[in-house]
Amino acid sequence: AQKVTQAQTEISVVEKEDVTLDCVYETRDTTYYLFWYKQPPSGELVFLIRRNSFDEQNEISGRYSWNFQKSTSSFNFTITASQVVDSAVYFCAWGTSYDKVIFGPGTSLSVIP
Amino acid sequence: DVKVTQSSRYLVKRTGEKVFLECVQDMDHENMFWYRQDPGLGLRLIYFSYDVKMKEKGDIPEGYSVSREKKERFSLILESASTNQTSMYLCASSLRGTDIGKQYFGPGTRLTVT
Repeated sequence: AQKVTQAQTEISVVEKEDVTLDCVYETRDTTYYLFWYKQPPSGELVFLIRRNSFDEQNEISGRYSWNFQKSTSSFNFTITASQVVDSAVYFCAWGTSYDKVIFGPGTSLSVIP
Repeated sequence: DVKVTQSSRYLVKRTGEKVFLECVQDMDHENMFWYRQDPGLGLRLIYFSYDVKMKEKGDIPEGYSVSREKKERFSLILESASTNQTSMYLCASSLRGTDIGKQYFGPGTRLTVT
């Protein structure tokens, strides 16, 4: 069965530090997608990124970067020079072409000024 | 700006009451979803719908039912609320197929059953 693990329940960093959120997934599918969502204190989850299983290129978007490694079944998320506005719960998720998505338990990130 | 709205942000109900949670999206999305979010468990899928009048069970459908009479509206029904249904309920929608997994979420309804 598919499963998404986020071993870090809570992380606290001081502003401007870099932080990496870990995500490990389990699947036997050869075609799948991986996602990261952000849930700020307001409550609405916001989509951040999607990667498909055939594309292991790392991606960078501003201060955010994602490292996808099929060999270790990991899809880690790094925030560079963290800011207070990055404080949120971050969910890693897995899905297939059937549009159903399985979410991990989430990592709560607190960025302290 | 895309929008998913939920009828209430906070709701308090008594055990045994019938509870309706409403979700409306204005993006003409085919897919709609209901999740519950509990600490340490992440989001768990209750039901989803691929089209009007179509529904499929998610991972935790027991104690819940859903209704989708119109494309933009997806209702979650707790037939007889129980205290273990106290939770945050999130609705989401997405386009079918072309934008796989990119879901748009509502603000959530925090339901307390006493």
